[in-house]
Amino acid sequence: GAVVSQHPSWVICKSGTSVKIECRSLDFQATTMFWYRQFPKQSLMLMATSNEGSKATYEQGVEKDKFLINHASLTLSTLTVTSAHPEDSSFYICSTRDSRVYEQYFGPGTRLTVT
Amino acid sequence: QKEVEQDPGPLSVPEGAIVSLNCTYSNSAFQYFMWYRQYSRKGPELLMYTYSSGNKEDGRFTAQVDKSSKYISLFIRDSQPSDSATYLCAMSSNFNKFYFGSGTKLNVKP
Repeated sequence: GAVVSQHPSWVICKSGTSVKIECRSLDFQATTMFWYRQFPKQSLMLMATSNEGSKATYEQGVEKDKFLINHASLTLSTLTVTSAHPEDSSFYICSTRDSRVYEQYFGPGTRLTVT
Repeated sequence: QKEVEQDPGPLSVPEGAIVSLNCTYSNSAFQYFMWYRQYSRKGPELLMYTYSSGNKEDGRFTAQVDKSSKYISLFIRDSQPSDSATYLCAMSSNFNKFYFGSGTKLNVKP
């Protein structure tokens, strides 16, 4: 399967600061990227879907001004959590997909802790 | 009602046992069904994919889909301690959006 990396794998930040998480598709042109968050013992919750060169489509209840997503190239998407608060602490996972195939390939995830 | 229901477990079995993991769903439009394995603090990895109803086998893993009952299963034969992980079912009607179960935590004891 395709290789997807995320950086950083773990980040601690202070309340009020912004954090950027990168998702890279290393050997695969990802026309679509998905961003999920996962709380302990809970399922993956889709936050937004982004297509390369287009604005992201956010799921209901996800604040687009708080979670900024940029998908500038076929190999890179970024999620920026702006003015982070402790309730934003979670495990954020990206996944990539090519329009020709069905599979989603997941990154290893980024654990965000806001103090 | 959630789109996808999955028993969170935990499910604890002895090494060598046959494991049965299940999900139910409510949306009859789902036609693509997947099982993912997720180790602690890692991203999910795709195990099995099935289209529409039927069975699919891959090594020790067998995926079953019963669309009439809106019920899918993953069977693991000869379970190993390395199979200990959380198993997530996922489904989609068009690959534009995927719906995940909450995951079942499996522990295979040596």
